[in-house]
Amino acid sequence: DAEITQSPRHKITETGRQVTLACHQTWNHNNMFWYRQDLGHGLRLIHYSYGVQDTNKGEVSDGYSVSRSNTEDLPLTLESAASSQTSVYFCASSPVVAGVSGTGELFFGEGSRLTVL
Amino acid sequence: TQLLEQSPQFLSIQEGENLTVYCNSSSVFSSLQWYRQEPGEGPVLLVTVVTGGEVKKLKRLTFQFGDARKDSSLHITAAQPGDTGLYLCAGVASNTGKLIFGQGTTLQVKP
Repeated sequence: DAEITQSPRHKITETGRQVTLACHQTWNHNNMFWYRQDLGHGLRLIHYSYGVQDTNKGEVSDGYSVSRSNTEDLPLTLESAASSQTSVYFCASSPVVAGVSGTGELFFGEGSRLTVL
Repeated sequence: TQLLEQSPQFLSIQEGENLTVYCNSSSVFSSLQWYRQEPGEGPVLLVTVVTGGEVKKLKRLTFQFGDARKDSSLHITAAQPGDTGLYLCAGVASNTGKLIFGQGTTLQVKP
């Protein structure tokens, strides 16, 4: 069965360190997204990609970067981790782009819980 | 800034009770999705509504899209412990095409 997997599921790091969260999907979806989830804020979009070599900033992109070298993977990098980046991170993929060619159902991974001390 | 306001934020009820969760905005949405998220997992899509006034049923769950496409509701009849989780609405804003999430409603159904 097709799926989307995130790793690591749990990570503790120190302020200032670089951290990369991996996301791998076997749905063959062109569209991939990174969200962070914090209590009271729901899901907020960090970065997204509509295809290989395409990346775009979301509403909370400061301090994060992504790269898309193939269809399956969209790693999220925190260049210099800050305590404010302690959160649960979700990767998602979609076969269509919401509002462009469909309603854009998102298929989510199980999340990566990051703690920055 | 476009916002989707969900209410209530937290709800704790006994098994067998009915409940309604609301998702409201001042913006118009071309479609609206409802997701359920269980602890330690990612959200999973329950339903998508696209037409003003549309009603969809999924077993004991009834979803409605407002006539003006600015609001939606989720009604659960005879709630069961298995309904426990975080319910998220997400709308595609008509003017921007962006998908916006509400803050979520945490539901606890006690046996």
